Amino acid sequence: AQTVTQSQPEMSVQEAETVTLSCTYDTSESDYYLFWYKQPPSRQMILVIRQEAYKQQNATENRFSVNFQKAAKSFSLKISDSQLGDAAMYFCAYRSASGANSKLTFGKGITLSVRP
Amino acid sequence: DAMVIQNPRYQVTQFGKPVTLSCSQTLNHNVMYWYQQKSSQAPKLLFHYYDKDFNNEADTPDNFQSRRPNTSFCFLDIRSPGLGDAAMYLCATSRGTGGHGELFFGEGSRLTVL
Repeated sequence: AQTVTQSQPEMSVQEAETVTLSCTYDTSESDYYLFWYKQPPSRQMILVIRQEAYKQQNATENRFSVNFQKAAKSFSLKISDSQLGDAAMYFCAYRSASGANSKLTFGKGITLSVRP
Repeated sequence: DAMVIQNPRYQVTQFGKPVTLSCSQTLNHNVMYWYQQKSSQAPKLLFHYYDKDFNNEADTPDNFQSRRPNTSFCFLDIRSPGLGDAAMYLCATSRGTGGHGELFFGEGSRLTVL
């Protein structure tokens, strides 16, 4: 079974600075997808960024980018120019590329606070 | 505009008193999921529907049931809530179950059991 580990429960960043959120995972599969989801307080969870395991190029979405190290099974999220609206819980998630009913496996999440 | 709507946002029930949580979607997605999220824990998948096909996770207690009367609506029924069932319940949808697919979440229903 696949597992996703987010070992840091909380992090804090100064507004306009850069922060990196860590995630590791364990799988025996070679083809899969990795995601970062953001859950603001009392708001719905939304997709931040997605990475396909067979693509070597790291995904980027505006201020959000990932550092995907397939051999190390590491998938960190970098947030540049942090904004107050980035304060939220962030979940790393894994999903197999095979099978008709592959499910999304989440890590425990990390709470990010942004200091003004 | 909200695309996945959960009601109620907050539900208080007594130990053993049945409760139903609802989820509706305007995305016309064929897959709907129910997750249980406890404080400081990862969201845990309870079950999902692919169209009318129900897929239960092996470790989901029998106390949890679900209904999907049509594409737009899905219900989570907790037949006899225990104190351990207090949690946030998240509904999500997706177009298919392919690995690349994005899940769209509702804001959640927070259940308190007294």
